[in-house]
Order: sequence, then structure tokens, then C-alpha cells
Amino acid sequence: QLQRQESGPGLVKPSETLSLTCTVSSGSISSSTYYWGWIRQPPGKGLEWIGSIYYTGSTYYNPSLRSRVTISVDTSKHQFSLKLSSVTAADTAVYYCARQAYKYGVDVWGQGTTVTVSS
Amino acid sequence: QTVVTQEPSFSVSPGGTVTLTCGLSSGSVSINYYPSWYQQTPGQTPRTLIYSTNARSSGVPDRFSGSILGNKAALTITGAQADDESDYYCVLYMGGGIWVFGGGTKLTVL
Repeated sequence: QLQRQESGPGLVKPSETLSLTCTVSSGSISSSTYYWGWIRQPPGKGLEWIGSIYYTGSTYYNPSLRSRVTISVDTSKHQFSLKLSSVTAADTAVYYCARQAYKYGVDVWGQGTTVTVSS
Repeated sequence: QTVVTQEPSFSVSPGGTVTLTCGLSSGSVSINYYPSWYQQTPGQTPRTLIYSTNARSSGVPDRFSGSILGNKAALTITGAQADDESDYYCVLYMGGGIWVFGGGTKLTVL
């Protein structure tokens, strides 16, 4: 379902904005069943839900990241994107895009993209 | 902010049975939280095991089962095998489009 996970540079400087895009197989991004989300995992740590978007454009964010996160969707391109502003070293992680539904949990995972924040 | 709790670590003997739990810092977990469980080995993408409390994802062996035990969600592995040695994460749906991961349990099979 999640064909690939495209990313900007795998290295982002502190205080800059991290940008990632995920491409979804044709048609399914407009499904009324699913949310399209981002999850991350810092090195040696657990998984953290960043936020999700519904095909209508409604967004839902982790309260701890809400002030820095923007998730958007482009249904015409079958893509959804993550922007995380004012990054620090603590944002260094593997970032996964994912398909979610409250009934099904996270049922499809992207392959993950490593993003390092360093000058 | 709600914290989802899991045992940091657990060990089980090969062939044994182990139950991992997923609780809330405040309150009880019920089916209304649609608990789901994920298995992750180092360097790998997580694998979905259980969703909606007790539904097994496609291809997951029936020795993995989910339930509600008391005030927590539970993942039980029956007949543990060496390749079950992994990190296990639960996720709860809090409503309003919000999900929260537990901190994960590192399971050792020895």
C-alpha cells in the first residue's frame, strides 16, 4: 500500500525544518476508513506517534509536538507529507509513514527513513 | 498527558507462555481503546500482530493472542520460540484521532 517513502535530505541542520513525503498506492488515500500518519523512533528508543491526517485534510497531532508539526495531504498525487520545524538533535530518528484506522491500528508501515539533525 | 504503560522487559523460556500488558497511567484500558500490538526486531520495521484487542493480523500465528485482563490490554504468547525475542509495543486509540504508543517491552527468550 505504501509504495515508497521519499525524503528530503537525511541530514537536517538544527533549527531548520524537516520535510518528508509518503506516496500511497493509487486510490486508497481517499478511503474514508483510514488515517495517514507519521511515527518516529529515536535511536535506541521506542516508537512515538507524531500525527495523522484524514483524506478530508483534518489533522491530528501528538500534543507534545503540535506546535512544530504540520501534516498535509495531496490526494491528486496520492501523497501525504510531514513538516517538523525548529528541529534539534532530539528529533534524530527513523521516521515511518503509516496507514492507520482506529479499528485496525497501524496496519501498513512504510520502510522508514533515517533523519539526522546535526550541524 | 496520558501515559501508556508497558513492562520494560520480560523473559520467557522456550516453549513457555508469557503475557505482556498495556495499561494507562490513569484509568482502565477497555475495548473502546482498540488496543493493538506490534513486534519489532532491531533494525526492522514494526510488524502488526493484533488489532482491536484480539484480532490477529494476516499471517500472525495463533500462538499470539490479545485480550483485556483486568484494567489492561494484554498480549499472550503461547509456546514462545527463539524468534519471538523482540520488542513489543502496544498502541491505544484515545479518540479524536489521537493515538498513544506504550514505551515497549523487550522480550527475551532464554
